[in-house]
Amino acid sequence: NAGVTQTPKFRVLKTGQSMTLLCAQDMNHEYMYWYRQDPGMGLRLIHYSVGEGTTAKGEVPDGYNVSRLKKQNFLLGLESAAPSQTSVYFCASSSGQMGAYEQYFGPGTRLTVT
Amino acid sequence: GNSVTQMEGPVTLSEEAFLTINCTYTATGYPSLFWYVQYPGEGLQLLLKATKADDKGSNKGFEATYRKETTSFHLEKGSVQVSDSAVYFCALRYQAGTALIFGKGTTLSVSS
Repeated sequence: NAGVTQTPKFRVLKTGQSMTLLCAQDMNHEYMYWYRQDPGMGLRLIHYSVGEGTTAKGEVPDGYNVSRLKKQNFLLGLESAAPSQTSVYFCASSSGQMGAYEQYFGPGTRLTVT
Repeated sequence: GNSVTQMEGPVTLSEEAFLTINCTYTATGYPSLFWYVQYPGEGLQLLLKATKADDKGSNKGFEATYRKETTSFHLEKGSVQVSDSAVYFCALRYQAGTALIFGKGTTLSVSS
C-alpha cells in the first residue's frame, strides 16, 4: 500500500494563478482532510469530506475549493492564489468504521506564492 | 470550543535526558487524544493515542496518560536519542470521524 500520496511535492505560483493539489489514498478510507501548516500555528483544517461526493468547510476554508468525485481522491483547488496561501499543505485520511479512526497523513506539498 | 494547548519550544536536551512535553486540552464530552511526530521534511506520523480517561498510550519509549481530572495528556520519554529530534503535536478528536484539532507543535532538538 502506498498509503496517502500527494502531488505535487513543491510548487511556486504567482499571485492570481490557479492550481490543484491532488491527494490519493489506497486504504478505502471514507474520510479525507486537507490541512495547512504554518510556522507557530500548528495544522489548521481547510476542508474535509466524509464520503464520495460530499465536502464540508473546516476552520480556514476561504480561498480554497475541494472536490471528492472518487472515494480515493480529494482535490484542493486555489482559484486565485495569494501570498497568504504560502504554506505546507497536508492531506489525511481515516476510516469511518468503528475502530481507531487514526488519521494517516501524506508527505505534504510545499506551496510558495510570490 | 475545543482546543489544545502545548508547551512552546524549542526544547533542547542532551542525549539520554528525560523528556516531558506538556499538553492540556479543552473539549466537550470525551475526546480521543493523540501525539503525532513530524520528522524534518516529512508528514505527520501517529506516535501514540488514548481514547478514554486513564488510558496510557505508548510507543517507541514514549508514553502519555489521559488525565481527565487535569485535562492533560503530557508526553514523556525516559531517555531521548538524537533520532527523536522532531516536531511533536498534541491533538484531540472530540467526535468519531471528525478532523483532529492540533496544538501548535513543540520542536525537540536532542544533541549528542
